[in-house]
Amino acid sequence: NAGVTQTPKFRILKIGQSMTLQCAQDMNHNYMYWYRQDPGMGLKLIYYSVGAGITDKGEVPNGYNVSRSTTEDFPLRLELAAPSQTSVYFCASSPDRNGYTFGSGTRLTVV
Amino acid sequence: KNEVEQSPQNLTAQEGEFITINCSYSVGISALHWLQQHPGGGIVSLFMLSSGKKKHGRLIATINIQEKHSSLHITASHPRDSAVYICAVDKGGSEKLVFGKGTKLTVNP
Repeated sequence: NAGVTQTPKFRILKIGQSMTLQCAQDMNHNYMYWYRQDPGMGLKLIYYSVGAGITDKGEVPNGYNVSRSTTEDFPLRLELAAPSQTSVYFCASSPDRNGYTFGSGTRLTVV
Repeated sequence: KNEVEQSPQNLTAQEGEFITINCSYSVGISALHWLQQHPGGGIVSLFMLSSGKKKHGRLIATINIQEKHSSLHITASHPRDSAVYICAVDKGGSEKLVFGKGTKLTVNP
């Protein structure tokens, strides 16, 4: 039982490049989330999904896209990376919002 | 004003001391979560509370719904407790957690 797996752990992007952050969970959780964590700030919700085929915007969705074609996977796409997207990204999942499992994070630097 | 406020922002203690971290919130909630984040590491869920008190080992979490306040206590603190402790609330009717900024705890030997 791997829990929530995020890849890659670290990435450096140049301004204007694109990339996909991968998130997979093997617990059959319906709810999945993408957060970003900036220094000195609380985690901010980027996008979330309540089940396969359903996604919705969080607080800070601009510059990002997601898809949820399966229960297990919830990739986050960055188009045209900007320095403001330098952050640590966390994926999380929950069966019913009564408990959350977080991935180990992806540290992204845009230069 | 943030919907979830934690205090203190930073806390340094000596090994063995009793630690208290506070969380106040200004919105209606269905549950409150305490999370732990070690340096460079991922985030681990410690407690979920909707009322009363929970205990796990040396960690105790309490919540007072009327006062909109929760505390996380660590008894007999140890250097391995050094981490950032994050309070998050589940707003009733919302799919989203709202997070505090975290309390950075350092326990010196």
